[in-house]
Amino acid sequence: EADIYQTPRYLVIGTGKKITLECSQTMGHDKMYWYQQDPGMELHLIHYSYGVNSTEKGDLSSESTVSRIRTEHFPLTLESARPSHTSQYLCASSAGRHTEAFFGQGTRLTVV
Amino acid sequence: EDQVTQSPEALRLQEGESSSLNCSYTVSGLRGLFWYRQDPGKGPEFLFTLYSAGEEKEKERLKATLTKKESFLHITAPKPEDSATYLCAVNPGSARQLTFGSGTQLTVLP
Repeated sequence: EADIYQTPRYLVIGTGKKITLECSQTMGHDKMYWYQQDPGMELHLIHYSYGVNSTEKGDLSSESTVSRIRTEHFPLTLESARPSHTSQYLCASSAGRHTEAFFGQGTRLTVV
Repeated sequence: EDQVTQSPEALRLQEGESSSLNCSYTVSGLRGLFWYRQDPGKGPEFLFTLYSAGEEKEKERLKATLTKKESFLHITAPKPEDSATYLCAVNPGSARQLTFGSGTQLTVLP
């Protein structure tokens, strides 16, 4: 069973607020990822990290930012939330570049 | 360009009615093909990894197979609790992250 945790599970927030979505894993994985998924749609990679102090943008353009100060922690921040940011955000980690990724339960974000 | 196509988009089966889901891929240098199960509102749950053509993996009622161009997820005598969206993802050798298909939504009726 994967040990990767996301908080909060659900978040409803007003436009213009700053938010941070938390993601932590206890597997010691170097690789971590953030995906965005709208209902019934594909997963799109928005950020990834191959280790501490290493972050890259994914294929899908996003106004969010990430940091990787500790191996186990990969938070995602939106400086000013907008209704277009409403979506499900999924965090994942993997041991290697070509091995399976394990996902958290996701954060369902609604910006009103 | 790396592409993953899953079919059918949706599949309804009667309990006990076996079937297969398809994942076709076009990638440069496959470094792994992954199957996931996703329940509504939750994160994908890892099922299988396949690395080379001819490889097969089994777990309970599920069996995944891989050829050079596609993968199949065979479901034998499914039960209602197998209802979920099944996702296929590939890891191309040239890319740094997984490329996901759009999934097959499976409904098993009692």
